[in-house]
Amino acid sequence: DIQMTQSPSSLSASVGDRVTITCQASQDIKKNLNWYQQKPGKAPKFLIYDASNLETGVPSRFSGSGSGTDFTFTISSLQAEDIATYYCQQYDDLPLTFGGGTKVEMK
Amino acid sequence: QVQLVQSGAEVKRPGASVKVSCKASGYTFRNHYIHWVRQAPGQGLEWMGWFNPYNGGTNYAQRSQGRVTMTGDTSISTAHMEMSRLRYDDTAIYYCARAFWVSGSYYLDYWGQGTLVTVSS
Repeated sequence: DIQMTQSPSSLSASVGDRVTITCQASQDIKKNLNWYQQKPGKAPKFLIYDASNLETGVPSRFSGSGSGTDFTFTISSLQAEDIATYYCQQYDDLPLTFGGGTKVEMK
Repeated sequence: QVQLVQSGAEVKRPGASVKVSCKASGYTFRNHYIHWVRQAPGQGLEWMGWFNPYNGGTNYAQRSQGRVTMTGDTSISTAHMEMSRLRYDDTAIYYCARAFWVSGSYYLDYWGQGTLVTVSS
């Protein structure tokens, strides 16, 4: 199975801050990586596909980059409504696997 | 609009079975795989497998094999996930999600609201 390692596991930031999350795959997954946002008590919401493509309707302050084994997810200017846990997920091979999640909290 | 609506919370004894339903609307049910993902309390997301409504095909995570059965009824656009021989550590929220596949991209674009399954004696 492909292991996905996210860091940090949690972070605290202020409104307007730039937030960066990294996701590392245990093997080359090309750009076969998606990102999801999960707010407390809610189902995950799909944000980014193929490492860097924003789903329609997702605010442009969210972005993703990377390929191969190293990926980055960025919120350019943190808003209060962005408080959530973020997950990366690879689809290069079955089983689909998720990173452990990064909980973003407000400072 | 696309919606996935899941059945309600369940409380089961260890060793029992549970069946969770996921009713789809707003799109052609047969055209998209349904994936099942679970989340134990305070934990991350764990993929369980997929169901292909077009031909009834399935693919299960190794941990799901032998205890999980994914099925569907295209006449009512509903997918089901049944788990047998429940254990305490099966206590989790179970989500269904629609898969979207185009030009090599593959993602879970719509999710059900989740079904809490509690295993308790």
